[in-house]
Amino acid sequence: QKEVEQDPGPLSVPEGAIVSLNCTYSNSAFQYFMWYRQYSRKGPELLMYTYSSGNKEDGRFTAQVDKSSKYISLFIRDSQPSDSATYLCAMGVWYSGANSKLTFGKGITLSVRP
Amino acid sequence: DSGVTQTPKHLITATGQRVTLRCSPRSGDLSVYWYQQSLDQGLQFLIQYYNGEERAKGNILERFSAQQFPDLHSELNLSSLELGDSALYFCASSARALLAGGPTGELFFGEGSRLTVL
Repeated sequence: QKEVEQDPGPLSVPEGAIVSLNCTYSNSAFQYFMWYRQYSRKGPELLMYTYSSGNKEDGRFTAQVDKSSKYISLFIRDSQPSDSATYLCAMGVWYSGANSKLTFGKGITLSVRP
Repeated sequence: DSGVTQTPKHLITATGQRVTLRCSPRSGDLSVYWYQQSLDQGLQFLIQYYNGEERAKGNILERFSAQQFPDLHSELNLSSLELGDSALYFCASSARALLAGGPTGELFFGEGSRLTVL
């Protein structure tokens, strides 16, 4: 079993739809959770991060973490064509002081149709 | 613009050859990470350097090596290339200095070097 599993894609939705992206993980040592967004021909960029179980909102985006069930989700409300990108979940562990190790999901490609 | 610079952006070479990918981290960032991204494997961690020293190794092949120089730029060397090495190679940096309260763990990625092995 991989440490991080991400729902496969691709995913295509109409503009204005609510999008739910999900990841599960097996390593209970993960301490922080992130979502990265990667546009075509670009590097991933951090979208949201959280350390604890529960919901965190940022505009149209909500990150949800359930440590007891070992899953995280990203919800996108009122999706826009500009949200079309690949979304990667990532989970991290602190080790040896200030160093951290991030493990990424494989990513899901989202297309929002106008 | 993340502030991380990678060169070259594209590289086409033949099997058996050797290439070097270069990365300049964000100004002030001490840690450099190398990742390989392919369609079937996703984003795979290869190796991390912190202030010139190797700190962590991931799924890096023995044919691959890296180093971080005193000016903090890093190079990833790929040798005896095989078809399966064709991928996007990303460099990322982070402010992994010993900050009070702890950094967020955010990585800043460059735009990647696309390697094609024919």
